[in-house]
Formats: sequence, structure tokens, C-alpha cells
Amino acid sequence: AQSVTQLGSHVSVSEGALVLLRCNYSSSVPPYLFWYVQYPNQGLQLLLKYTSAATLVKGINGFEAEFKKSETSFHLTKPSAHMSDAAEYFCVVSDGGSSASKIIFGSGTRLSIRP
Amino acid sequence: DAGVIQSPRHEVTEMGQEVTLRCKPISGHDYLFWYRQTMMRGLELLIYFNNNVPIDDSGMPEDRFSAKMPNASFSTLKIQPSEPRDSAVYFCASSFSGAGTQYFGPGTRLLVL
Repeated sequence: AQSVTQLGSHVSVSEGALVLLRCNYSSSVPPYLFWYVQYPNQGLQLLLKYTSAATLVKGINGFEAEFKKSETSFHLTKPSAHMSDAAEYFCVVSDGGSSASKIIFGSGTRLSIRP
Repeated sequence: DAGVIQSPRHEVTEMGQEVTLRCKPISGHDYLFWYRQTMMRGLELLIYFNNNVPIDDSGMPEDRFSAKMPNASFSTLKIQPSEPRDSAVYFCASSFSGAGTQYFGPGTRLLVL
């Protein structure tokens, strides 16, 4: 069985500060991991994904995430926050197989940026 | 490609009325998903299709909800009769594979009065 936990439903950082959004997962098989972003009044869009290649994954808009198997984590980071990063972020785990029933979305973390 | 297309973008209706939400997935995608998003419950998977066949509808809240996919380029989600607690944003998404990247539409914001 798989599960995903996003620590912190709301994170607030100052513009220019480091962004760190935490995600921990559990999976009985090597997982596929994703981060999606949802801007206000829009659908979700893929930020980045890990599918068993390089453990450090770079995504759009300067975001990156590192797969750490020993810590069962896939935290999302960005060195310097921009006002346009204000959005909700979802961590997602799947087993990489064909069954979409095994895709699990996290509860989301709302990121606010202070001027 | 135009991406996933949903219509209408906004729907306001009265309790008891039938509501039909529409989705056109990205051409060539084999999987289509319907989600509901609310403040209270977050993002919930309602049902998904593979090659136009419903695979998992365990997330459909009750018999008032039904979904169809008559062909590879069109799907509907119907609520009959609608209730105020159905008010939410409904998203359609499509993908090449079941566990791969999903491409979301802009959503339909439903308000049931």
C-alpha cells in the first residue's frame, strides 16, 4: 500500500528566501513521485517527477526535489522565492505500474510569499 | 495541442436540477480521470477510464453521480439530482499511462443553490 504525507498545510516565506515543502511517502515497491502546482483558479500542472533515474530532479520555475530512499522523502525546494510562486503544491506517489488506482495525492501545501 | 478542455467553466444551478459536466482529453491519451476539489476534503478521485472503459469508480460519492466516456475524445460527469453539498470544482485530467503524468483541465466551478 502507498501513502503520502505533506507536512504543513500552509507555508509562508519571504520573497527571496528558501522554499522548502516537505513530503514523505510510503510504498511497498519503488515509487514514482511527482510534485504538481495549482495556481489560483487553475488546474494542476506538473512541476517535476521522479521515475527511478537521477535522485535529484529539476523542474520548472527553478524548483527541484531530491528522492531520499533512506528517509522516504521527496521534499521540494527553491533557493529564492518569487511572488509568482504563491500557489498550492501537491506531492503525489504512484507505484509506476499501469493501475491509476494506486496514484495517491497528498493533501496539499499552500505556499504564501511575503513581500 | 489545446490541452484538456472542460465545459462549462462555471455552473450555477438549483438543488434538484441535473448537471452535466463535459471533458475533452488530450488526443492520444488512454486514461481519463474525474476529480472533485473542495476546501473540506481536498482533491478526490471520483472515477477513471482506460480506453473509454470505467476502471475504478469507487470514489463516486453516490448513485446521483454517473460518468460516461462514449469515445476517446469525450467524457461526461452527470449529477442528478444535484444537492448543495455537490458544490465544488470538478477537474478532468488525462494521461498516456495509468501511473504517469496527468494533464489537468481548468476545472468546472459548480455552485448548487
